[in-house]
Amino acid sequence: GDSVTQMEGPVTLSEEAFLTINCTYTATGYPSLFWYVQYPGEGLQLLLKATKADDKGSNKGFEATYRKETTSFHLEKGSVQVSDSAVYFCALNYGGATNKLIFGTGTLLAVQP
Amino acid sequence: EAEVAQSPRYKITEKSQAVAFWCDPISGHATLYWYRQILGQGPELLVQFQDESVVDDSQLPKDRFSAERLKGVDSTLKIQPAELGDSAMYLCASSLVDRETQYFGPGTRLLVL
Repeated sequence: GDSVTQMEGPVTLSEEAFLTINCTYTATGYPSLFWYVQYPGEGLQLLLKATKADDKGSNKGFEATYRKETTSFHLEKGSVQVSDSAVYFCALNYGGATNKLIFGTGTLLAVQP
Repeated sequence: EAEVAQSPRYKITEKSQAVAFWCDPISGHATLYWYRQILGQGPELLVQFQDESVVDDSQLPKDRFSAERLKGVDSTLKIQPAELGDSAMYLCASSLVDRETQYFGPGTRLLVL
């Protein structure tokens, strides 16, 4: 079945450091890929998405590229801030009638000043 | 900006009691989802509605969980009786029909004692 694997956390960085959170997926078809962010005590917020191979999603300085050849969707940011501290979830779905999101286990990012 | 509303935000109950959670999706979103997020894990779909009809409830523990969306707008998720293992965050999300992007509410954190 379909699944998403994320690098385990926590990831601890100093402010202004470069961020990479790895995400790989296993899919029977051609899904859309997502990154969601969850701040402490809150629900999930959509960070970015990509709907087909080679698409790049970007938002708030974060970006990720849909790589079909490596089945990956790694999240990157050039310079993190303390306010980026949160849990990041990679996810996939196919749209259409049965549209459930399949999530990875999440990666905790802690940015220190 | 339109948001998904959920209540209550927090609920503490004793095992064997009944609990209910409410969700109001973004106006115009015909598709509504309930996810359960156990601490340290990614969310997993419990049930998906399109309008008032259930599309997918394959992961809903039907012996104790029920969900309804009677008028195709807001929805209620009920647990009766609650068990210790039900302690989790319950997230509601909504989307336009056949669109892959889902928008999440703030969640209801349930603690069963």
